[in-house]
Amino acid sequence: KAGVTQTPRYLIKTRGQQVTLSCSPISGHRSVSWYQQTPGQGLQFLFEYFSETQRNKGNFPGRFSGRQFSNSRSEMNVSTLELGDSALYLCASSFAATNTGELFFGEGSRLTVL
Amino acid sequence: AQTVTQSQPEMSVQEAETVTLSCTYDTSESDYYLFWYKQPPSRQMILVIRQEAYKQQNATENRFSVNFQKAAKSFSLKISDSQLGDAAMYFCAYISGGSNYKLTFGKGTLLTVNP
Repeated sequence: KAGVTQTPRYLIKTRGQQVTLSCSPISGHRSVSWYQQTPGQGLQFLFEYFSETQRNKGNFPGRFSGRQFSNSRSEMNVSTLELGDSALYLCASSFAATNTGELFFGEGSRLTVL
Repeated sequence: AQTVTQSQPEMSVQEAETVTLSCTYDTSESDYYLFWYKQPPSRQMILVIRQEAYKQQNATENRFSVNFQKAAKSFSLKISDSQLGDAAMYFCAYISGGSNYKLTFGKGTLLTVNP
């Protein structure tokens, strides 16, 4: 069974641009979560989707948005990029509709903002 | 808000020895789950072990075991017979049994295994 796939793996953007990251969950998994990982702040929750509905959102500005499609694939978008948005963005999927926390992570998309 | 604290930024262990990573958490909830996740260099994070708060018995997965002290809000990870492949960043994490669907992570402990 294929794991969680994130694309692109690496990308470089400049301040003010916008970026879209994609995540394909494990087949059959309907919950997709996004986390931002930085050396200073560690791992921070961005949002979680289940069956195309956002169930929870972390404390990030409105420049960070996401969505989930009917096939459970998810995208996140960051508009008006700032230097501080440079990070590893991790996507994770899970099967359960309820909250068990057993997540399967992708390898991440490493974003560098210049 | 829940918080998770890992007080050891770095730890090292000799191959075949035992090491314990510490984690404390703060919550007012009674229904929650605790986890240890492992993130090897440049590889994806994987779940090592999981503990339900309502279970008194400590979880064990092969060479990995936890010491869950609910009253003290402590959740340490013991790795026995350490192997070179255990070298990684280890994250302690908490999730509410309610409906917030988010994992709260500690800052991590970088474990080095010396041959």
